[in-house]
Amino acid sequence: DVKVTQSSRYLVKRTGEKVFLECVQDMDHENMFWYRQDPGLGLRLIYFSYDVKMKEKGDIPEGYSVSREKKERFSLILESASTNQTSMYLCASRTLTEAFFGQGTRLTVV
Amino acid sequence: AQSVTQPDIHITVSEGASLELRCNYSYGATPYLFWYVQSPGQGLQLLLKYFSGDTLVQGIKGFEAEFKRSQSSFKLRKPSVHWSDAAEYFCAVDFPGSNDYKLSFGAGTTVTVRA
Repeated sequence: DVKVTQSSRYLVKRTGEKVFLECVQDMDHENMFWYRQDPGLGLRLIYFSYDVKMKEKGDIPEGYSVSREKKERFSLILESASTNQTSMYLCASRTLTEAFFGQGTRLTVV
Repeated sequence: AQSVTQPDIHITVSEGASLELRCNYSYGATPYLFWYVQSPGQGLQLLLKYFSGDTLVQGIKGFEAEFKRSQSSFKLRKPSVHWSDAAEYFCAVDFPGSNDYKLSFGAGTTVTVRA
């Protein structure tokens, strides 16, 4: 089975901290994504990557950056966490026909 | 602009009754269409997908979906729901031609199953 693993299920961080969310996939997929999930808004795309060291902004990139140094790993970085970044974060990797999601990281910024 | 709409925020259905969830999209051509389910505390699981061909597609857990091009809709159905079907359901759309494999999601429909 394809596996997408997010390093943490729950995180609590303080305002202004630099936060790293890690995601690893084991199926050699080129395309990886970070989404943010909020009630009533569905999933919104933050950033995606279609190859190592390649990245593209999604719909809501402000306040975030990403890193993809290896094909299997895609990291989301909150440079200076703010309370409005409290949310559920979902990582996904994709083939043409299917996207595979991690379990999600629920981040609370206090 | 391309968009995905799930008109129903919340649906309550009795166990054993049928379920129908709506999804509409705005796009000039036929996109790739997906339905995902998210149980509490879990990630998203693919129920079914439509790319082309037969407009009635079968998925896992007894779900099926019907694509109607004339209505730009992709309805998810289940003839008889079980208590375990209580979850949030997301319609997702991939707009071909962009070559970026992005998925656009609807806002989701929460399904409550009453005994």
